[in-house]
Amino acid sequence: GAGVSQSPRYKVTKRGQDVALRCDPISGHVSLYWYRQALGQGPEFLTYFNYEAQQDKSGLPNDRFSAERPEGSISTLTIQRTEQRDSAMYRCASSRLPGTGNYNEQFFGPGTRLTVL
Amino acid sequence: AQSVTQPDIHITVSEGASLELRCNYSYGATPYLFWYVQSPGQGLQLLLKYFSGDTLVQGIKGFEAEFKRSQSSFNLRKPSVHWSDAAEYFCAVGAGNQFYFGTGTSLTVIP
Repeated sequence: GAGVSQSPRYKVTKRGQDVALRCDPISGHVSLYWYRQALGQGPEFLTYFNYEAQQDKSGLPNDRFSAERPEGSISTLTIQRTEQRDSAMYRCASSRLPGTGNYNEQFFGPGTRLTVL
Repeated sequence: AQSVTQPDIHITVSEGASLELRCNYSYGATPYLFWYVQSPGQGLQLLLKYFSGDTLVQGIKGFEAEFKRSQSSFNLRKPSVHWSDAAEYFCAVGAGNQFYFGTGTSLTVIP
């Protein structure tokens, strides 16, 4: 596609429910990144993929968070048993090249605003 | 540990005035440095980046930034601000597999 898209754009859920956030990267982009952005803060790295392989998940806060990218394109970030502290903007980014992300330009999606009641 | 500091949470400038947004980083090796802009309802857009070479880098929308190793800084500048520049600006450092972002500076432009 023309840019990175994310769905839903807004998600309101009750505490204890599971949520799945979707990211559709730019067509042909190899790397895909997930970030969490709390209000008034910068994006915080969660995890990233090269193709379908999850390269680094050190930023995932706990085992309720997981991500997959089974065919090397669309990715899903899943949060199980949501808690109020999970409320944030979740951003996805993709990059044309594989490898480490420190020199590849990342193109960001508009984000999914998650609110846990 | 890597970190990025943007000391100014919010800045207000008049349209046509010059702008400088401050960024300081902490990183043991040669950093890869970035400035992103975030407009309401939009994703982050890359303004410019520094990898090596000339320490003054030019970006889109008339922005530039200067890398100063001695001061561990990468300040963003624009000589004449336009109303459309009102947004949130994030400085980031690339380290290993990750980007580390600052907390952002919100820019308001008054007519």
